[in-house]
Amino acid sequence: QVQLKESGPGLVQPSQTLSLTCTVSGLSLTSNSVSWIRQPPGKGLEWMGVIWSNGGTDYNSAIKSRLSISRDTSKSQVFLKMNSLQTEDTAMYFCARIIGTTTAYFDYWGQGVMVTVSS
Amino acid sequence: EIVLTQSPTTMAASPGEKVTLNCLASSSVSYMNWYQQKSGASPKLWIYGTSNLASGVPNRFSGSGSGTSYSLTISSMEAEDVATYYCLQLSSYPFTFGSGTKLEIK
Repeated sequence: QVQLKESGPGLVQPSQTLSLTCTVSGLSLTSNSVSWIRQPPGKGLEWMGVIWSNGGTDYNSAIKSRLSISRDTSKSQVFLKMNSLQTEDTAMYFCARIIGTTTAYFDYWGQGVMVTVSS
Repeated sequence: EIVLTQSPTTMAASPGEKVTLNCLASSSVSYMNWYQQKSGASPKLWIYGTSNLASGVPNRFSGSGSGTSYSLTISSMEAEDVATYYCLQLSSYPFTFGSGTKLEIK
């Protein structure tokens, strides 16, 4: 069955770079696309970006200058790197598969990884 | 950016009551998706393509709408429906979520 699992450091210092990994199983990254979505404590959801099955990427313009999404298809892993972290980047970070063409949606989600930005 | 405004922000319904949650888009979108999120859990796909129920979703749920106005309806509220519901548009970049409707039971 399809599974996604996020991993990474729970605590990052302000101004540092966040590195997260999404490890997928039950699907191939060469034919599936994965997005990163985050949720600050007690708040709503924010789409961050996507890496498409062809390796292309799209980012939320609000954070595009700080964000990079990449992948290693042989290891079934998708990576998120975001620099210049601030306290407002404290959030639960999710990866999710996006499926569909004319009608697209996120169907499978990981459990999320909590990231706290603090000195 | 397409802004999705959900209403109400919070509501409480009695068991058996009909519930309608609304999602208004700042520009026309082709379809709407809905997610259910319970406390401490990841969001779950609930309705996709405006009106298609995800696998396992009870048929007391339905979705409708077009253009800038979409809704999720529960025909008869049950205790297990307590959650926050988010709408999501993937018609244009950046993809955006509504701010959510927190649904409680009376």
